[in-house]
Amino acid sequence: QAVVTQEPSLTVSPGGTVTLTCGSSAGAVTSDRFPYWFQQKPGQAPRTLIYDTYKKYSWTPARFSGSLQGGKFVLTLSGAQPEDEADYYCFLSYDGPWVFGGGTRLTVL
Amino acid sequence: ELQLVESGGGLVQPGGSLRLACKASGFRFSSQWMKWVRQAPGKGLEWVANINPDGSRRYHVDSVNGRFFVSRDNAENSLYLQMNILSAEDTALYYCTNERCDFWGQGTMVTVSS
Repeated sequence: QAVVTQEPSLTVSPGGTVTLTCGSSAGAVTSDRFPYWFQQKPGQAPRTLIYDTYKKYSWTPARFSGSLQGGKFVLTLSGAQPEDEADYYCFLSYDGPWVFGGGTRLTVL
Repeated sequence: ELQLVESGGGLVQPGGSLRLACKASGFRFSSQWMKWVRQAPGKGLEWVANINPDGSRRYHVDSVNGRFFVSRDNAENSLYLQMNILSAEDTALYYCTNERCDFWGQGTMVTVSS
């Protein structure tokens, strides 16, 4: 099964902008992978932020957005808030099986 | 209200078996793909298995292939994960989630230890 790669850790200043990326060993990430971004805080279940590349749920803050850039799946956080400090995981479909990325620990400092 | 409630976790010896269940309510369970996801203590998320609405297609991560088996009972709105030949590497919190992953259960903990 494919390997999905993310930055292990990133830091962003409050109010700043940060980009998290998600790549695939199987080649460029496309919308056919039905990409997801999840946020997970300590002791909590994951929460979906983005699905199908860029779509949001009602609970997704407007400051989060998903896109495809340079063959990767990207999560952009514009105007980081202290409550955005969490682990972020991308999730890709491979025509049946799915694979999570290793996760990015985002620090807001 | 949409709800997913996992059960069946516990402490089991290496080589043993467990059957996890996920009871769904508040949505059309029989029309959705369902997934199992696990998280080992202090580690990241790992997709374990998924199954299509009528149960005719199912997929498992390579590390559990031949040992775990996902199934469902649409009449009971329930998803299952039969886990056999368990090892310490299977110790994790096991979650079920629906097709769009917009709802998650609270998870059920599986600990494999002698």
